[in-house]
Amino acid sequence: AQSVSQHNHHVILSEAASLELGCNYSYGGTVNLFWYVQYPGQHLQLLLKYFSGDPLVKGIKGFEAEFIKSKFSFNLRKPSVQWSDTAEYFCAVIGTGTASKLTFGTGTRLQVTL
Amino acid sequence: DTAVSQTPKYLVTQMGNDKSIKCEQNLGHDTMYWYKQDSKKFLKIMFSYNNKELIINETVPNRFSPKSPDKAHLNLHINSLELGDSAVYFCASSRGLVTDTQYFGPGTRLTVL
Repeated sequence: AQSVSQHNHHVILSEAASLELGCNYSYGGTVNLFWYVQYPGQHLQLLLKYFSGDPLVKGIKGFEAEFIKSKFSFNLRKPSVQWSDTAEYFCAVIGTGTASKLTFGTGTRLQVTL
Repeated sequence: DTAVSQTPKYLVTQMGNDKSIKCEQNLGHDTMYWYKQDSKKFLKIMFSYNNKELIINETVPNRFSPKSPDKAHLNLHINSLELGDSAVYFCASSRGLVTDTQYFGPGTRLTVL
């Protein structure tokens, strides 16, 4: 069974600080990887995704993530956070088999202070 | 031009009642899902339908019954509501395979008193 770990549960940063949120997964085959963001009181929105190709993927709002297959990781980064980035961030993984299910990590709450 | 919509947004009800949540997507997607997000923000899949056929049915009490009248709609009916059913329920859809990107609705916050 696949699983996803997000080690940082709550991160507090000042505006303009750099961000890196960790995501590790366990799965014995090929995966598709996602980062979703949930702003306070809103639904999940896709930030970025990796299916294949260049392991460094760029998403919306200046976010990027790097897939490192050997480390089973898909960490999210942003060079300079803004107050409006305050949200819950979820890493999600799905195996590429037809019976796969999208599995979410427990989320990281990012709080950006002015 | 809402892509995935859910109604109602909030639902407050008494224990033992039966309630339904509706979901509609106008993306032309073939696959739809229901997720439950608990108080700790943990998201877990409950059901998935592809072209009106059930393809994923997680370990969910029988009190929860999904219904898909057509591929643009996936409703969730809950019988005999319990306190532990209080959560935010998200509907999602994807183009075809379950491995495609899933797009989420705004969520329905269910509170059982």
